[in-house]
Amino acid sequence: NAGVTQTPKFQVLKTGQSMTLQCAQDMNHEYMSWYRQDPGMGLRLIHYSVGAGITDQGEVPNGYNVSRSTTEDFPLRLLSAAPSQTSVYFCASSSTRDRGKGTFGSGTRLTVV
Amino acid sequence: DAKTTQPTSMDCAEGRAANLPCNHSTISGNEYVYWYRQIHSQGPQYIIHGLKNNETNEMASLIITEDRKSSTLILPHATLRDTAVYYCIVRVDPGSSNTGKLIFGQGTTLQVKP
Repeated sequence: NAGVTQTPKFQVLKTGQSMTLQCAQDMNHEYMSWYRQDPGMGLRLIHYSVGAGITDQGEVPNGYNVSRSTTEDFPLRLLSAAPSQTSVYFCASSSTRDRGKGTFGSGTRLTVV
Repeated sequence: DAKTTQPTSMDCAEGRAANLPCNHSTISGNEYVYWYRQIHSQGPQYIIHGLKNNETNEMASLIITEDRKSSTLILPHATLRDTAVYYCIVRVDPGSSNTGKLIFGQGTTLQVKP
């Protein structure tokens, strides 16, 4: 199994540009989430989804949109990138039976200049 | 979910046991203790979780005090590859209707030294 796959691994954006960070999992997990991690800090939850068609906001949702049209995919959209969104982004998934036992992707390192 | 407190950093000699403490004095009866670790530049990795009984798996052991106000993650024979940030997280029943979100604190940076 591939687990959780995030693409791209690295990205540089100019302020105001938009882009989508991709996240896909092949474990048939219902629960998926996006986190950001800034230098020297722990992970902060951006958005999460408990199943296809259902999403909700986490701790730091401003500037980000998500959708969940399939069980496998949970893309994160930056509509108008800002330097404050420079960060490492992690996607995670878990089963309904044990939502605390998450599988994380390897991350996307985003720089907004 | 209850708040956790962990030391900022710890050192351990290679081959020795690493004991990482976590305080969760406000934990509720239905809250589990989870441990994750994050090796530099990688995504977090689940290690172990428990409610009130001690737990052991191929990676580590989890010791939870009888009053459940604190716990210790034990890596029995630490190697250089165990150098990482270790996060202690408290959350409700794994299979509950809770959102499932994990609240990560600052964690403990464990440095395993030769």
